[in-house]
Amino acid sequence: AQSVTQPDIHITVSEGASLELRCNYSYGATPYLFWYVQSPGQGLQLLLKYFSGDTLVQGIKGFEAEFKRSQSSFNLRKPSVHWSDAAEYFCAVAPIYNQGGKLIFGQGTELSVKP
Amino acid sequence: DAGITQSPRHKVTETGTPVTLRCHQTENHRYMYWYRQDPGHGLRLIHYSYGVKDTDKGEVSDGYSVSRSKTEDFLLTLESATSSQTSVYFCAISETNTEAFFGQGTRLTVV
Repeated sequence: AQSVTQPDIHITVSEGASLELRCNYSYGATPYLFWYVQSPGQGLQLLLKYFSGDTLVQGIKGFEAEFKRSQSSFNLRKPSVHWSDAAEYFCAVAPIYNQGGKLIFGQGTELSVKP
Repeated sequence: DAGITQSPRHKVTETGTPVTLRCHQTENHRYMYWYRQDPGHGLRLIHYSYGVKDTDKGEVSDGYSVSRSKTEDFLLTLESATSSQTSVYFCAISETNTEAFFGQGTRLTVV
């Protein structure tokens, strides 16, 4: 069955420290891959997406993600975290031949930032 | 921001009553979706639509129905609300399979 796993439910980092959020997927073929961010009481905003090509993808707000086919992973990174990055982060996949944006989400990782 | 409006934003209802949530878009996107968000589960697809009057079930469709009579509106109905349907409901739209845009969410409490 198709699935997305985010192993870390909650992560706390200090402001200015680097960040890596993990995402693993189980799929028959390489799907489209996404990272979304959700601030408290808000909807989801797309951070970045991977379809093909360069396996290192740049997104908004200084985030990047690296696709590793051999590990079925799409980890999100940021070199220096800001207090405003505190939010919940969701990894999602969609099959390449999917009609529309029917996404399968991971459970989410809540990020807290210490001053 | 994509033009997606969910209404109501908050609702408290009693067990056994019918509830309808509305999603309205101004983007003329073909696809519309209803997800529910629960702690520890991320977002799960309830129903989706790929055109006017064309809808299909998602992974958690039991107890829910949908209708799409116009491109811009996608309604989610709980025929007889239960406490297990207490959740935050998100509408999303997309034109292709490359990106989905989400509404602000509706917080539904069934007491």
